[in-house]
Amino acid sequence: GAGVSQSPRYKVAKRGQDVALRCDPISGHVSLFWYQQALGQGPEFLTYFQNEAQLDKSGLPSDRFFAERPEGSVSTLKIQRTQQEDSAVYLCASSLHNRADTQYFGPGTRLTVL
Amino acid sequence: AQSVTQLDSHVSVSEGTPVLLRCNYSSSYSPSLFWYVQHPNKGLQLLLKYTSAATLVKGINGFEAEFKKSETSFHLTKPSAHMSDAAEYFCVVSDPNTGNQFYFGTGTSLTVIP
Repeated sequence: GAGVSQSPRYKVAKRGQDVALRCDPISGHVSLFWYQQALGQGPEFLTYFQNEAQLDKSGLPSDRFFAERPEGSVSTLKIQRTQQEDSAVYLCASSLHNRADTQYFGPGTRLTVL
Repeated sequence: AQSVTQLDSHVSVSEGTPVLLRCNYSSSYSPSLFWYVQHPNKGLQLLLKYTSAATLVKGINGFEAEFKKSETSFHLTKPSAHMSDAAEYFCVVSDPNTGNQFYFGTGTSLTVIP
C-alpha cells in the first residue's frame, strides 16, 4: 500500500515568510509524528498526534512552529516568520497505534530559508 | 535520560566484506531499539527492531543486530556488504519512561568500495 507522503518535497522561503508543510500518513494509522533533521544530524522530535489530539509538542523549538491534524488524518506543520536556522529537512512519520509502535517515515520536505 | 551514541560518523568497507556499525545507548529502563537506513532523497526505512524478545534480531537485506544489556550496545552487522548498502544509518532508542519518544543517533555514513 501507499506509504507516508509529504509535500512539497522542496521549499525555498525568504526570511520572514510563512510556510506550510503537509503530511499524508499511511491510511488507518492513528499516530503521527513530525521531526526536524538538520544537515548532518539525526532527526529530532517536534510533535506527536494521536488521531486529532496533539499529545506532545515539547519538541517545537518556538511559538513560530504550529502543527495540526484536524480530522485525524492529514497533518500540516506551519512555520511563521521563517528564519535561517529553520532550514532543515522536516520528516513526518506515522504508526499504527501508539508511540511504542514502529514508525514509518515519509521522504521529507527540505526547507531552505534565504 | 535517554541518548544514543553512534561511535563512527563514517565507515568504509569493500564490497563483499563484513559491515559493523556501532551504537551505544543510555536508558533508565528496558528500551526498544531500532536501526533505520536513509538513502539519498528517500525516507527512513526500518531495518530491524528490538523489543525485549530475542537479543539477536534479524532484519531486512541480511542485516542483524545484537542487544547486549551489559555493554549497553546494539551494533548493526552484515556478513557481506553490497553496493546498494551505501547509505546513512541511524540507531534509535525508545524508552517507556519517556513516553516512548524516539531518540536518534547522529548517523553513520556507510561507503561501499567496489
